[in-house]
Amino acid sequence: AQSVAQPEDQVNVAEGNPLTVKCTYSVSGNPYLFWYVQYPNRGLQFLLKYITGDNLVKGSYGFEAEFNKSQTSFHLKKPSALVSDSALYFCSEVKAAGNKLTFGGGTRVLVKP
Amino acid sequence: DGGITQSPKYLFRKEGQNVTLSCEQNLNHDAMYWYRQDPGQGLRLIYYSQIVNDFQKGDIAEGYSVSREKKESFPLTVTSAQKNPTAFYLCASSVPGQGASGYTFGSGTRLTVV
Repeated sequence: AQSVAQPEDQVNVAEGNPLTVKCTYSVSGNPYLFWYVQYPNRGLQFLLKYITGDNLVKGSYGFEAEFNKSQTSFHLKKPSALVSDSALYFCSEVKAAGNKLTFGGGTRVLVKP
Repeated sequence: DGGITQSPKYLFRKEGQNVTLSCEQNLNHDAMYWYRQDPGQGLRLIYYSQIVNDFQKGDIAEGYSVSREKKESFPLTVTSAQKNPTAFYLCASSVPGQGASGYTFGSGTRLTVV
């Protein structure tokens, strides 16, 4: 079973509306959590990461994510979505002392004009 | 600029043939990884290498082989034993033991069996 879960296969949102992509993790202790974005036929691009410290992490392209330990969640958010945000988004985690990233199944985001 | 280069971008293979996908990095990273991506299934780890001349099987290693003779290079061979090789293949690298650094990914190779 996947240790990182992205419960939504696809998220549809109108341009200008808030965007949320959900992720829950299962690593105990102090997980390192990441969000990556993938555009068609391209590799994954790093968006942001949570290592320690402030629970609200700000990343590239206006994205942010909130680490919630009690809910074991790390949802990705953007206050106002753009059509160009349409892509595939992956949440991932790694154990603090380890190296292997485990990926969620991905969530496709479609932002409609 | 430092990065990872995967080649070719598109590759076509006939049934029963072996093909090799190239992955080269100039980031001075010790660890390298190969992932397979199928629609709706996210990324699955094929093989990884933490250091030169050493590599380990990932979750779906059957039908694949790798080598790590140089730090910069981690080629993946898709053998004829891989029954369903059509997929998008991604290579990545990282600094081992530094999980916080995350991965750097190549742009991928799309393999199609014809």
